[in-house]
Amino acid sequence: AQSVAQPEDQVNVAEGNPLTVKCTYSVSGNPYLFWYVQYPNRGLQFLLKYITGDNLVKGSYGFEAEFNKSQTSFHLKKPSALVSDSALYFCAVRDLGGYQKVTFGIGTKLQVIP
Amino acid sequence: DAGVIQSPRHEVTEMGQEVTLRCKPISGHDYLFWYRQTMMRGLELLIYFNNNVPIDDSGMPEDRFSAKMPNASFSTLKIQPSEPRDSAVYFCASRTETRLAGGRHTQYFGPGTRLTVL
Repeated sequence: AQSVAQPEDQVNVAEGNPLTVKCTYSVSGNPYLFWYVQYPNRGLQFLLKYITGDNLVKGSYGFEAEFNKSQTSFHLKKPSALVSDSALYFCAVRDLGGYQKVTFGIGTKLQVIP
Repeated sequence: DAGVIQSPRHEVTEMGQEVTLRCKPISGHDYLFWYRQTMMRGLELLIYFNNNVPIDDSGMPEDRFSAKMPNASFSTLKIQPSEPRDSAVYFCASRTETRLAGGRHTQYFGPGTRLTVL
């Protein structure tokens, strides 16, 4: 079975500071990994994904994430947080081995403080 | 493309009534997913289709829930009879696995339907 853990319910960061939202995963094979963002009263919006290749993945709005196979992690990062980044962030995983379901984490609320 | 379209955006109904949620996936996408989001349970996969065929409905909570996909551009999720505990936001998402398609493997979500059962 595949699973995702987002250990922090909420992350607070000051505007202009770097931010990290943590994610670890478990799959039996090689993973597809995703980050999504959800603004209030909106659907989930795709940010970035890792399928294969370079471990550092760059996505929308200046976000990036690093795939670390040994630590089974895929943390989301941004060098300088904006107040407008405040939202709910979901990490998701899918087993490359053919299992079609994507498993989502519980979500981490990011609060950027002006 | 307009993205995944869901209707209605909001639905308020009384316990015992039938509710039908609708979804139009992105054109050319061959996978369609129905999710439910609540504060208590987070995002739950209810059912997914591949080429209009239901593949896995193990997430459907009860027999009161049913989903259909009569063609590649339309799907419905029906709750009959509805109960207050069904109150949630229901999302539809679609995806393609076509090798030459842009955005391959990525699920794109609709805006959701906020269901309130009184």
